[in-house]
Amino acid sequence: GAGVSQSPSNKVTEKGKDVELRCDPISGHTALYWYRQSLGQGLEFLIYFQGNSAPDKSGLPSDRFSAERTGGSVSTLTIQRTQQEDSAVYLCASSLLAGGLSPYEQYFGPGTRLTVT
Amino acid sequence: DAKTTQPTSMDCAEGRAANLPCNHSTISGNEYVYWYRQIHSQGPQYIIHGLKNNETNEMASLIITEDRKSSTLILPHATLRDTAVYYCIVRVAGSGDKLTFGTGTRLAVRP
Repeated sequence: GAGVSQSPSNKVTEKGKDVELRCDPISGHTALYWYRQSLGQGLEFLIYFQGNSAPDKSGLPSDRFSAERTGGSVSTLTIQRTQQEDSAVYLCASSLLAGGLSPYEQYFGPGTRLTVT
Repeated sequence: DAKTTQPTSMDCAEGRAANLPCNHSTISGNEYVYWYRQIHSQGPQYIIHGLKNNETNEMASLIITEDRKSSTLILPHATLRDTAVYYCIVRVAGSGDKLTFGTGTRLAVRP
C-alpha cells in the first residue's frame, strides 16, 4: 500500500524567500507529525496534528514556521522568510492512533531536503 | 519518556545475527520499548515494539529482560541493506506524543 509521501524531495531557496512543504499521510491515519533533522543530528519535533483537535505547535522554532492540515489529510508546512539555519531535512510521519492503551507506530515519509542559500 | 543508552557503533558480518543492546534502567511500568532505524538519506523506519514479552516480526526480534531495564534488538541474518542507525526509544503507549531520538547505534554490516 501507499506510504507517507512528501514533496518536493529537494528544495533550494534563497534566504528570505517563503517555502511550502507538502505531506500526504497514509490514508486513514488520524495523527500527523512534522519533524526536522539537521545534518548528523537527531530528530527535532515541530508540530503534531490529531484529528480535529488543536495542533501541538510546541516544537515550532519561531513564528516564521506554520503548518496546516486540510480535511484531516494533507498537511503543508510553511516557512516564511527562510534563513540559512532552516536548512535541514523535513520529515513527515503519520500514525493510526488506537484507543485505550494500545501502542502505535509512526510511519515516516522520505523527507524534503531544504537548502537555504 | 525514560532515557535510553546505546553503543555508538557496532558492526557485524553479512549473514550473521546482529544484536543491538539498549539500556533503559528508569523505564516505567506503562512504557513500551520501540525500535526504529534510519538508513542513510531516508526517513526513519519502524521496526518493532514490546512491553514485557519478547516479540518477533518479519524484520527482527526484541528481547526484553525480566526487570525491563534493558533490551536487545536482534536482526537474525543481517544484510548489507541493514546498515543504518538504530534508535531505541521508551514511551507511554498511545500517548500521541512526538518521538525523540537519541544518537542511536550506527550498525555497519560487512560483506
